[in-house]
Amino acid sequence: ILNVEQSPQSLHVQEGDSTNFTCSFPSSNFYALHWYRWETAKSPEALFVMTLNGDEKKKGRISATLNTKEGYSYLYIKGSQPEDSATYLCVREETSGSRLTFGEGTQLTVNP
Amino acid sequence: NAGVTQTPKFRILKIGQSMTLQCTQDMNHNYMYWYRQDPGMGLKLIYYSVGAGITDKGEVPNGYNVSRSTTEDFPLRLELAAPSQTSVYFCASRRQGRTYEQYFGPGTRLTVT
Repeated sequence: ILNVEQSPQSLHVQEGDSTNFTCSFPSSNFYALHWYRWETAKSPEALFVMTLNGDEKKKGRISATLNTKEGYSYLYIKGSQPEDSATYLCVREETSGSRLTFGEGTQLTVNP
Repeated sequence: NAGVTQTPKFRILKIGQSMTLQCTQDMNHNYMYWYRQDPGMGLKLIYYSVGAGITDKGEVPNGYNVSRSTTEDFPLRLELAAPSQTSVYFCASRRQGRTYEQYFGPGTRLTVT
């Protein structure tokens, strides 16, 4: 994997459903993995930053895991709500510690 | 704190015109970034800076220039605007260190016709 790849590209779920997305990234020169939430007409906002293999982070109904050896991260949303509708961005940070590469994002729509 | 501020919010340029997109942060962050978001696409890194006096190219630097004379300011310069530069531009900043997230500005929507 040369780039940061996210799947699926878009997702429609019903309110109350739980869902998850995948981020795949090059495992070489890995430094950190960021997740951002980006609502339409707003700026991206940080959800998590993870650095160690096996890291798990949680914020309310949203959680994320990290596997640096195989180069993937999962983002989970439990009991989706309409206000969770947004694009979720995965960002890989290289060993240099300054340069970040963004995935294309997963666009989530939660229908009431 | 105001966070990251960008001006202008919107701008229409004619082909060949020049302009500077302003970005200022008041959080004393060392790292600053410029991204562009094309319709239906993700964010692409244009330039970044790890401190005053230091800048480096990102994925799509052609047609742009930056400077970082102070910690607070990171202006992006378009010298000869082209239609391909029609995009939404986001500035971001963060503290130095691998566990720190980026803070984004509100964006500048630029149209070149």
